[in-house]
Amino acid sequence: AQKITQTQPGMFVQEKEAVTLDCTYDTSDQSYGLFWYKQPSSGEMIFLIYQGSYDEQNATEGRYSLNFQKARKSANLVISASQLGDSAMYFCAMREGLSGSARQLTFGSGTQLTVLP
Amino acid sequence: DTGVSQDPRHKITKRGQNVTFRCDPISEHNRLYWYRQTLGQGPEFLTYFQNEAQLEKSRLLSDRFSAERPKGSFSTLEIQRTEQGDSAMYLCASSLRDFSDTQYFGPGTRLTVL
Repeated sequence: AQKITQTQPGMFVQEKEAVTLDCTYDTSDQSYGLFWYKQPSSGEMIFLIYQGSYDEQNATEGRYSLNFQKARKSANLVISASQLGDSAMYFCAMREGLSGSARQLTFGSGTQLTVLP
Repeated sequence: DTGVSQDPRHKITKRGQNVTFRCDPISEHNRLYWYRQTLGQGPEFLTYFQNEAQLEKSRLLSDRFSAERPKGSFSTLEIQRTEQGDSAMYLCASSLRDFSDTQYFGPGTRLTVL
């Protein structure tokens, strides 16, 4: 089974509107971390936001927020007030286990977001 | 610039040649990771180091691949006898052991095997 599922290969949003990118995950661990990264066409992976499995509040970082629904195992990224520079590939990723022990990230297949002027 | 750096950014080689990539992590980060990303896919884990110790290797890391981090600072990834299937973006990331262990990525090395 896929550990990280991103069901939207492509999304379009009008500039200045909000958009939600979906991510569901699968793990039997109680401790895990969820991450979102942005990858523009230049190729570099840019960290956006982190949510720990024990965090009770949804994470927010500027225009980015993570809608964490633990029971549903979903961690959707919400981008408010979209800008043209937000056009990029977005990846959801998970680290299983406690952060004290180094662990690799497992990535989804990504969502290509296009912001329309 | 205090981010993760990788060298070279692009490498074109002929099948059968050996190639070596370098990664310099963020200076205070003691964890370093290598990933491979093919077109249209998310990155896939290859290996990681804590300080100079290589703690885990993916099944993707065949015998032709070797990684080192000799003094716990920079790391090298070598591919011997390259094959066309090795063509990909090779990404390096580093992290600091803290509450999130967030991995910060370098710009990647794009390898093309002819």
